Amino acid sequence: EPEVTQTPSHQVTQMGQEVILRCVPISNHLYFYWYRQILGQKVEFLVSFYNNEISEKSEIFDDQFSVERPDGSNFTLKIRSTKLEDSAMYFCASSGGKGDRGRRYTQYFGPGTRLTVL
Amino acid sequence: QKEVEQNSGPLSVPEGAIASLNCTYSDRGSQSFFWYRQYSGKSPELIMFIYSNGDKEDGRFTAQLNKASQYVSLLIRDSQPSDSATYLCAVSGGGADGLTFGKGTHLIIQP
Repeated sequence: EPEVTQTPSHQVTQMGQEVILRCVPISNHLYFYWYRQILGQKVEFLVSFYNNEISEKSEIFDDQFSVERPDGSNFTLKIRSTKLEDSAMYFCASSGGKGDRGRRYTQYFGPGTRLTVL
Repeated sequence: QKEVEQNSGPLSVPEGAIASLNCTYSDRGSQSFFWYRQYSGKSPELIMFIYSNGDKEDGRFTAQLNKASQYVSLLIRDSQPSDSATYLCAVSGGGADGLTFGKGTHLIIQP
């Protein structure tokens, strides 16, 4: 069964450094998302992406964040200047495959990238 | 501000019994409702989605939706120790909107 994949599984960086988190969504999906989960807290929506542009973003997704689909398969999240509070698990998700409404808009999550900012 | 509320638990249920998980949401315009399971340190794994009022069954799982009461529930029949996890309720406005998650209910199935 097709899966969302993410790399790396764990990223350690120094405060102020730029990081890029990578995701390969399910191949026939059209909508892509990033979420984050700070340890012990709930999963929070960051941004959604469709047709090569951002379709929705949360208050968390400020100017230090950006997303890109650089080619036909990858979807990336860039954090320009990391802060200690950016330490979290970052999940990529995708949706928009074929089928009825339920299957089309159900979001499937990748395994996540644990980002640690020192 | 969209809110999704869940009892954080832990909810302890004997093996073989029915586990009942509940969720309320604040946004009356919500259209799509999802239950995900999350094991510690892992990503959310879809269990079920529901769009229409009433019940939806899939194997040992039944989701129930009451839009008038802004209430979603998940029943797990014949609970197994492997069902022990955190269950996340998620809500969206429909279509490809981002999901709003609750904090999750920690379920423990006692052998």
